[in-house]
Amino acid sequence: QVQLQESGPGLVKPSETLSLTCTVSGGSISSYYWSWIRQPPGKGLEWIGYIYNSGSTNYNPSLKSRVTISVDTSKNQFSLRLSSVTAADTAVYYCARAHVEKVMDNWFDPWGQGSLVTVSS
Amino acid sequence: SSELTQDPAVSVALGQTVRITCQGDSLRSYYASWYQQKPGQAPVLVIYGKNNRPSGIPDRFSGSTSGNTASLTITGAQAEDEADYYCNSRDSSGNHLVFGTGTKVTVL
Repeated sequence: QVQLQESGPGLVKPSETLSLTCTVSGGSISSYYWSWIRQPPGKGLEWIGYIYNSGSTNYNPSLKSRVTISVDTSKNQFSLRLSSVTAADTAVYYCARAHVEKVMDNWFDPWGQGSLVTVSS
Repeated sequence: SSELTQDPAVSVALGQTVRITCQGDSLRSYYASWYQQKPGQAPVLVIYGKNNRPSGIPDRFSGSTSGNTASLTITGAQAEDEADYYCNSRDSSGNHLVFGTGTKVTVL
């Protein structure tokens, strides 16, 4: 079965760029949608965006100016870059497969275990 | 603020039934999916589509929609069902995805 694993720095300085990678194992990254979701400590879930293996993307409007999601099919990985971070970007970042092929239906499954990123000097 | 609103907390006696609701205008057009999250763990999908359960999810979990409200019902709640639950669907534009505010379920 497909498994996802996030990786990247756990500490990022304010104003710098947060970078995370999600490695997909047990299946091909091709022909599917892949998403990033985050959760600040003690708070709810926030959808960040998703990418299709062709490179087409869809971002949360509230983060769109700072977010880039990319895919590397040769490595079976997709990545998140979030620029100009502040303490408000401190969160557990999850990667997940997004099932959005049908407009009426959408869900996320499976999920990675999550990666805590702290923004602090 | 989220376009999908959930009650912050509900409680249920062991073995009884609890309904968790998610309200939003987009739910008149799009299905909600539901996730269970236990402390320190990633969310787990429990319901998607009209009323579909992924493999391994007990049949005491069910979903429904009426008007602008989607519901997740746990029939015969167990101690292990104590968790945070989140709904997810599209926003009012239909172009983006959004999560509900979350509901903490306590099993008494």
